[in-house]
Amino acid sequence: EDQVTQSPEALRLQEGESSSLNCSYTVSGLRGLFWYRQDPGKGPEFLFTLYSAGEEKEKERLKATLTKKESFLHITAPKPEDSATYLCAVPRAQGAQKLVFGQGTRLTINP
Amino acid sequence: DGGITQSPKYLFRKEGQNVTLSCEQNLNHDAMYWYRQDPGQGLRLIYYSQIVNDFQKGDIAEGYSVSREKKESFPLTVTSAQKNPTAFYLCASSMSGAETQYFGPGTRLLVL
Repeated sequence: EDQVTQSPEALRLQEGESSSLNCSYTVSGLRGLFWYRQDPGKGPEFLFTLYSAGEEKEKERLKATLTKKESFLHITAPKPEDSATYLCAVPRAQGAQKLVFGQGTRLTINP
Repeated sequence: DGGITQSPKYLFRKEGQNVTLSCEQNLNHDAMYWYRQDPGQGLRLIYYSQIVNDFQKGDIAEGYSVSREKKESFPLTVTSAQKNPTAFYLCASSMSGAETQYFGPGTRLLVL
């Protein structure tokens, strides 16, 4: 069964304290992995798509990496405005336009 | 300014009532999706449509219905058969053949 697991469920950091969020997946024939940011009461905002192991993408303080079994979202020197829930998703093996989402990591950055 | 709009932002449903959530996109995307989000759970797919006048059930379609009469519009009706409708509903769209989905701002449905 296609599955996505994110850890930790919640993470609290001090401003400037770097860390990583994990997204592990079980889907055969991976056709991409997506990262989204979601603020409370709003729709998810697209961040990155990764397609192959070893690929990396960066945006401001965020860097996403991909291996054959998991993806990491590294956050470097975070600021309070980086506080949000981060979601990852992968296309299903059957029906690639249908995404399987993880439950998200709720990130809080304290000033 | 391209994007996805959802209305209303908040919607209240009375017992036995059907309600319709609106989703419009001006991204010229072929595919559109409806998801439900509950606290502590990932997004769950309700219905999706890859082309006008065609749509398929997702994982939790019971108690919901959709239509796709126009490329830019994909309304979702929450029927009285949906016994636990309180949730945050998200509409998304993607280009045909591509898989990056872009989301609207969401509608929060509450039961009176």
